[in-house]
Amino acid sequence: QVTLRESGPALVKPTQTLTLTCTFSGFSLSTSGMCVSWIRQPPGKALEWLALIDWDDDKYYSTSLKTRLTISKDTSKNQVVLTMTNMDPVDTATYYCARIESPPDAFDIWGQGTMVTVSS
Amino acid sequence: AIRMTQSPSSLSASTGDRVTITCRASQGISSYLAWYQQKPGKAPKLLIYAASTLQSGVPSRFSGSGSGTDFTLTISCLQSEDFATYYCQQYYSYPPALTFGGGTKVEIK
Repeated sequence: QVTLRESGPALVKPTQTLTLTCTFSGFSLSTSGMCVSWIRQPPGKALEWLALIDWDDDKYYSTSLKTRLTISKDTSKNQVVLTMTNMDPVDTATYYCARIESPPDAFDIWGQGTMVTVSS
Repeated sequence: AIRMTQSPSSLSASTGDRVTITCRASQGISSYLAWYQQKPGKAPKLLIYAASTLQSGVPSRFSGSGSGTDFTLTISCLQSEDFATYYCQQYYSYPPALTFGGGTKVEIK
């Protein structure tokens, strides 16, 4: 069974750096074709794709957020980490990680999401 | 970036109704389109990929059609558990610059 679970702080202050971890099971990110992405959703708003890392350690970012994002993986721990610098209240959102099995393809499995509030 | 525009943004319908949601891409995306269902407080769930292929376990009352720039999600006979928000997403652009539509909320009339 494939599962993903996000973890990280529920509250961060403006200008701080957010670090989120996606811990997954049921697949390996070293398998050819596998990818894990981060997507976020502000309260009451639409989904926004943030970043993707693939089995070959290639990394891709949203153009609008590229300068603030870093995605990395630890294959031995089955984890993908997203850092976002210079957090602002507009970054308040639920952050999801999700899998793509063989791109280009849809996100077939999603984590439950973790809510992050940016406030002083 | 490819923009995805959904319509309507919301609709009211009754159980048993046939519901159609439209998604338009700002440029051609072939059939690289997915549909997701999201219920309040839950993660999105993949319903359809490749514009018309039903994900395993999804009821057959859901169907998708279209290619190029215009796509449709149809629920043939709305059930109580189908009241939710639906999103389209393109995955044509690779290296990925993935984009979602703005969502369509299906509410009870």
